[in-house]
Amino acid sequence: DAEITQSPRHKITETGRQVTLACHQTWNHNNMFWYRQDLGHGLRLIHYSYGVQDTNKGEVSDGYSVSRSNTEDLPLTLESAASSQTSVYFCASSGSGVVTEAFFGQGTRLTVV
Amino acid sequence: TQLLEQSPQFLSIQEGENLTVYCNSSSVFSSLQWYRQEPGEGPVLLVTVVTGGEVKKLKRLTFQFGDARKDSSLHITAAQPGDTGLYLCAYDSGGSNYKLTFGKGTLLTVNP
Repeated sequence: DAEITQSPRHKITETGRQVTLACHQTWNHNNMFWYRQDLGHGLRLIHYSYGVQDTNKGEVSDGYSVSRSNTEDLPLTLESAASSQTSVYFCASSGSGVVTEAFFGQGTRLTVV
Repeated sequence: TQLLEQSPQFLSIQEGENLTVYCNSSSVFSSLQWYRQEPGEGPVLLVTVVTGGEVKKLKRLTFQFGDARKDSSLHITAAQPGDTGLYLCAYDSGGSNYKLTFGKGTLLTVNP
């Protein structure tokens, strides 16, 4: 069965370190997204991609970057982790189309100390 | 920026009760989606509503899209503990490309 997986599921890192969260999907979807989820803010879009070599900034992109070298993967990098980036991060993918569905990974809980 | 306001923010009820949660905006949408997120998991799509006035049923869950396509509601009949979770509405804000923007959700707890 097709799926979308995130790794690691939990991570603790120190302020200032570079951190990369992995996202891998086997749906063969062109669209991939990264969200962060925080109490009181809901799910907010960080970065997204509509295909290989395409990346776009979302509403909370500062301090984050992504790259899309193949269809299956969209890693999210925190350039210099800050305590404000402590959150639960979700990756999602979707097919192309007027009305489609987003499939989410199980999330990565990141703590920056 | 179109905003989705969800209410109530929190809801705690007893098993067997009925409930309705709301998703409202001042903007018109071509479609709205409802997702449910269980603790420790990612959101999962429940339904997409497209036509003004549309009603869709998923077992004990009834979804309605407002006639003016500015709002939607989710009604659960005879709630069960398995219905516990965060209910999120979302719209496609990507124009020609799909991109979901979410409301903040309603956290539902159904007590046995």
